[in-house]
Amino acid sequence: KAGVTQTPRYLIKTRGQQVTLSCSPISGHRSVSWYQQTPGQGLQFLFEYFSETQRNKGNFPGRFSGRQFSNSRSEMNVSTLELGDSALYLCASSLGDRGPLMNTEAFFGQGTRLTVV
Amino acid sequence: GENVEQHPSTLSVQEGDSAVIKCTYSDSASNYFPWYKQELGKRPQLIIDIRSNVGEKKDQRIAVTLNKTAKHFSLHITETQPEDSAVYFCAAGLPYGGSQGNLIFGKGTKLSVKP
Repeated sequence: KAGVTQTPRYLIKTRGQQVTLSCSPISGHRSVSWYQQTPGQGLQFLFEYFSETQRNKGNFPGRFSGRQFSNSRSEMNVSTLELGDSALYLCASSLGDRGPLMNTEAFFGQGTRLTVV
Repeated sequence: GENVEQHPSTLSVQEGDSAVIKCTYSDSASNYFPWYKQELGKRPQLIIDIRSNVGEKKDQRIAVTLNKTAKHFSLHITETQPEDSAVYFCAAGLPYGGSQGNLIFGKGTKLSVKP
């Protein structure tokens, strides 16, 4: 069973540019969450998508956006990049079931390392 | 919204000793508490989790305890080994549809096990 795949692994962008990151979840998983990881700040929640709809959103500015396609693949976009956006961006997929299991295990991708110069 | 505090931020132990990492959460509606281990340059991986209807769970050298009244949960690693060295993250999960994401993480604990 293939794991969560994120592309690209590394990106270098200039301030003011925009960037799109991609995440392919485990087959059968319908929930994809995105996190920003920086030293000392841990994993900060960006947003979660389930069945092509944004179900939850963290406290990030509107420059951060995302979407999910019918095959559950997800993309996140950051516009007007700032130096402070340099981070490891992780996505995690899970079943996302609303049934009795409620929360289920989240599997992380390897991440995309974004450097803004 | 949910907030998770994790302590300590760094922990150094001798091989064979025990390590304890503690987390507190703010939203009493949280019902799922996983722990993730992240080795240097690798993705976070689940090592153990506990749900709100259980007070304690053990898996070999790793155990997690949950005190719902006090809203805190802890990770216990016994007989530590050098390969336990990593950053450990606790998280709290609200039922789906809550006002925040399904997992809110603490800031992590860097565990170093000295041979």
